[in-house]
Amino acid sequence: EPEVTQTPSHQVTQMGQEVILRCVPISNHLYFYWYRQILGQKVEFLVSFYNNEISEKSEIFDDQFSVERPDGSNFTLKIRSTKLEDSAMYFCASKGDRTGDTGELFFGEGSRLTVL
Amino acid sequence: GDSVTQMEGPVTLSEEAFLTINCTYTATGYPSLFWYVQYPGEGLQLLLKATKADDKGSNKGFEATYRKETTSFHLEKGSVQVSDSAVYFCALSARGNQFYFGTGTSLTVIP
Repeated sequence: EPEVTQTPSHQVTQMGQEVILRCVPISNHLYFYWYRQILGQKVEFLVSFYNNEISEKSEIFDDQFSVERPDGSNFTLKIRSTKLEDSAMYFCASKGDRTGDTGELFFGEGSRLTVL
Repeated sequence: GDSVTQMEGPVTLSEEAFLTINCTYTATGYPSLFWYVQYPGEGLQLLLKATKADDKGSNKGFEATYRKETTSFHLEKGSVQVSDSAVYFCALSARGNQFYFGTGTSLTVIP
């Protein structure tokens, strides 16, 4: 069964360092998302991506964040200069295929980011 | 704005007990409603969904009915099993491509 894969599963970094979280969405899906969950809190929307551009972003997704789909299969989230409050589980998700949109989001297993 | 509020956890039940996890929503328009489940060490998986008022989503013995009059989508199961231990997330999609999630409710089922 097709699945969304994320790497790394866990990354520890120093404050101020750049981090790139990688995702391979389900092939032929059209919509891509990043969510994050700070421990014990809501799953928060960060950004959605469609047709090679950002379609929507939340206020969390400030200038320190960027997304890219560099090669037609990977979908990356970059945090330029990490802060302590960026420590969270980051989930990638994808949705929609060419035969019809079921409305379901398919999630990866998440990348846990710890900023020291 | 659009949002979801779900029951605080954690919830601990004995095997074969009845489960209810409450979820209410706020949305403009007519959202689709979802329950996702996250088993330990795994990503979120769709458990069930309902796309319009009075629809009932069901899967693996779990059910939830879309109640527009009470803006609710409560998750129920008549007899839980140890294997149902997981975190359950209520979610809505109001404009097709934007999803809003609740905080998640952790369920532990003990034998």
